[in-house]
Amino acid sequence: DGGITQSPKYLFRKEGQNVTLSCEQNLNHDAMYWYRQDPGQGLRLIYYSQIVNDFQKGDIAEGYSVSREKKESFPLTVTSAQKNPTAFYLCASTPRQGGSKYFGPGTRLTVT
Amino acid sequence: LAKTTQPISMDSYEGQEVNITCSHNNIATNDYITWYQQFPSQGPRFIIQGYKTKVTNEVASLFIPADRKSSTLSLPRVSLSDTAVYYCLVGTGNNAGNMLTFGGGTRLMVKP
Repeated sequence: DGGITQSPKYLFRKEGQNVTLSCEQNLNHDAMYWYRQDPGQGLRLIYYSQIVNDFQKGDIAEGYSVSREKKESFPLTVTSAQKNPTAFYLCASTPRQGGSKYFGPGTRLTVT
Repeated sequence: LAKTTQPISMDSYEGQEVNITCSHNNIATNDYITWYQQFPSQGPRFIIQGYKTKVTNEVASLFIPADRKSSTLSLPRVSLSDTAVYYCLVGTGNNAGNMLTFGGGTRLMVKP
């Protein structure tokens, strides 16, 4: 089955630690995205990548970093510089020619 | 990017038709209109996409007037399982860098 996987579903970290969230897709999509969602709010774009080895900052990139070494993988690192990292993180992908986004199941990160 | 405005919330009853309207006064010539559905703690799911007039699929209909400054998502005969948040997005479908921003969405509550 084709789709997007995110792991883990729940993640707990201590304040001051970096943490990396995994996102893998086997849809052969060129573009991948990371969003953050806070309770009761919409999705805010963190980073997106339209092609391997290239990515752009979204609206709230500060405190986050990404890499796109492979077409199917787009990991997100939440660094200690991110002041309020506790949130629900969603990964998505689209084909090069555009169209609807396919979303992963999300990772809920809690930092204490 | 075209900004969208939707009602924050709506209530309905099982079996009724629900219409959710989205305003996008600054829509560009190449922009498409896409609607997503999101259940709690899950990634958004594509519902329908259109450019003009009317689009219908097995789940919903999308009505777009000639000026394209608004659109209406129509859900026929809703059930309790349609309780979710619905997002309207506007952007260029053939550019993966667009269609980036999700607004707050409309929280639909379907009552028995």
